[in-house]
Amino acid sequence: GNSVTQMEGPVTLSEEAFLTINCTYTATGYPSLFWYVQYPGEGLQLLLKATKADDKGSNKGFEATYRKETTSFHLEKGSVQVSDSAVYFCALSTTSGTYKYIFGTGTRLKVLA
Amino acid sequence: NAGVTQTPKFQVLKTGQSMTLQCAQDMNHEYMSWYRQDPGMGLRLIHYSVGAGITDQGEVPNGYNVSRSTTEDFPLRLLSAAPSQTSVYFCASSKGGAGLAGGTDTQYFGPGTRLTVL
Repeated sequence: GNSVTQMEGPVTLSEEAFLTINCTYTATGYPSLFWYVQYPGEGLQLLLKATKADDKGSNKGFEATYRKETTSFHLEKGSVQVSDSAVYFCALSTTSGTYKYIFGTGTRLKVLA
Repeated sequence: NAGVTQTPKFQVLKTGQSMTLQCAQDMNHEYMSWYRQDPGMGLRLIHYSVGAGITDQGEVPNGYNVSRSTTEDFPLRLLSAAPSQTSVYFCASSKGGAGLAGGTDTQYFGPGTRLTVL
């Protein structure tokens, strides 16, 4: 079946450090891939997305590239800030039947000043 | 635009009670869905709808009912609350409707309802 696997958290970094959060997926067909972010006490909001292989999504300094050969969509940022502290969710939308979204378990990021 | 709104924000129920979690969106989105968020489990899809009058089950539908009589509203009903339903519930909407065409669309989430069942 379709699934998303994210690295376990929490991830704790110092300000200006490099961030990578790993995400791999299993899916039939050609899913779209998403990263959502959840700040404390809020709902999820879209961070970036990619809809086909080799697409790169980017927003607010974050990037992720849709790698079909490795079924991955790793999130990266060159220099994190304290304000990036949040929970990050990798997700896909299925392409078999009516689409549904499947989310990973989330990775909590804490950035220290 | 208010986006996606959910009420109530917090709710405490006793085992066996029923209640309805409200969700509304003002973006004329066809696709709406309900998720529950539990520690270590991420978001799990409960029910979803691709348009008014059309609903379907997600990953964890047992104990929940939905209906979609209008494009704007998508209430979630707990028929007989159980402690296992203690969770944070999120409603979301996106533009796409039936079929695969909307699969690239962004989902917009409400602020969530924190439910405790004693």
